[in-house]
Amino acid sequence: DAKTTQPTSMDCAEGRAANLPCNHSTISGNEYVYWYRQIHSQGPQYIIHGLKNNETNEMASLIITEDRKSSTLILPHATLRDTAVYYCIVGHGESGGSNYKLTFGKGTLLTVNP
Amino acid sequence: GAVVSQHPSRVICKSGTSVKIECRSLDFQATTMFWYRQFPKQSLMLMATSNEGSKATYEQGVEKDKFLINHASLTLSTLTVTSAHPEDSSFYICSARRGRLPSLRLTQYYEQYFGPGTRLTVT
Repeated sequence: DAKTTQPTSMDCAEGRAANLPCNHSTISGNEYVYWYRQIHSQGPQYIIHGLKNNETNEMASLIITEDRKSSTLILPHATLRDTAVYYCIVGHGESGGSNYKLTFGKGTLLTVNP
Repeated sequence: GAVVSQHPSRVICKSGTSVKIECRSLDFQATTMFWYRQFPKQSLMLMATSNEGSKATYEQGVEKDKFLINHASLTLSTLTVTSAHPEDSSFYICSARRGRLPSLRLTQYYEQYFGPGTRLTVT
C-alpha cells in the first residue's frame, strides 16, 4: 500500500494561499492521489484528485510532481472556514476491483488565522 | 450532487443493546459502500467494505459478528452495532463510492463521498 506523509499542522493567514504538501514516494503507476478535508465532527469532504497532470476545480488546485512522488494541494485564497484537517490519500487495491479503498493517515491540521 | 446521508446523527444507548445506523446515497447509485470509525483526535479507520448484494469484507481486527453490515440496495447500507459496550462509543462514518468505467487511456478511479457521521455513545 502506498503511504503518505504530511506535516502535522500548518498555519495560514486569511486571504493568502495555503500550500499543503504530501509525500507519496511509493505510489504506483495506476494509483490516484486524493485530497479530502474534515472539519471538526463532520464527515470528510472531497476536494480533488489526480493521477499525473495538475488539476484544478472550484475548491483547489493539485500539483503533482513529474515523478509522482509528491503533491501539493493549493487553496488559492484561504478563509477561516477552510480550517480543517486535510488528508492526502493514495487509493490502493486492485484497480477496478471491489477491494479498492482509501486509507486515511493523520492528515495536516490547517489553521487559517484572521 | 453526490450527497450521502446518515441516520441518526447522534444516538445514546445502554450497554448491551443494539444500534442500527443507516447510510444512504441520495442522488447516485453506490455499488460499494464503506464504514469507518473515528475515535477522538484520531484519524478515520476503515472497518468494512460492502458491495450491494454480497457479504461485507471486514478489515483485520474488526469483529464481523459485532458489526453487522447489510447492503441490500444500491442506495442503502446499514451498520448494526450489536451488544454495544462503552468502548464502542465512537464517530461512525459511512462512505459511498461511484465508480467510473475504465477507458483505453484512463486508469480507473473512484469518486467516494462521505456521510456526515453518527455519534454513538454507549452508557
